[in-house]
Amino acid sequence: SQTIHQWPATLVQPVGSPLSLECTVEGTSNPNLYWYRQAAGRGLQLLFYSVGIGQISSEVPQNLSASRPQDRQFILSSKKLLLSDSGFYLCAWAPSRMTTFKQYFGPGTRLTVT
Amino acid sequence: GDSVTQMEGPVTLSEEAFLTINCTYTATGYPSLFWYVQYPGEGLQLLLKATKADDKGSNKGFEATYRKETTSFHLEKGSVQVSDSAVYFCALTFRDDKIIFGKGTRLHILP
Repeated sequence: SQTIHQWPATLVQPVGSPLSLECTVEGTSNPNLYWYRQAAGRGLQLLFYSVGIGQISSEVPQNLSASRPQDRQFILSSKKLLLSDSGFYLCAWAPSRMTTFKQYFGPGTRLTVT
Repeated sequence: GDSVTQMEGPVTLSEEAFLTINCTYTATGYPSLFWYVQYPGEGLQLLLKATKADDKGSNKGFEATYRKETTSFHLEKGSVQVSDSAVYFCALTFRDDKIIFGKGTRLHILP
């Protein structure tokens, strides 16, 4: 069966520091991968998605970047965090982006920028 | 722990049928409740939300009422269309932003 892992679960970082959140998927090949953010009082926002190694699409211009160095690894990064980057970050995977599918979510990372 | 339970489906209906997708939750405290929709080939979109007991969220003909006594947030629509075919996720959040999703319900509407 497929599983999705995210770490760390909780992170507190000062403004201006770098960020690296990691997401890995097991039990499937060539998944589509997604990063979402849930910010205070707002709905879920799609940040990035990837349909393959090295292929990243950005949905919203911001202080963050994403990379996919391996088939089942998706990394969310920032060189300098802003206060507005605080929120709950979710990674998700899906079998395919071009057909009807369902996304499966990781446990999430709560990021607090101080 | 906190959790959301919803029927996984698939749910198959004919066009103009009445839709109900059940969602119940377990939570300590008083969360906000959401329905998200995922259309084929797209990411999640917020469909509607309710932030306190007895609130009714509505959008695009869909409705859901926050029922604290039954810990439920069932999604309803009086007359579905083919374009409503999608996956629907029930979710809850607390003020600390953590969001917990149900497993999603796949809906097929036949013309």
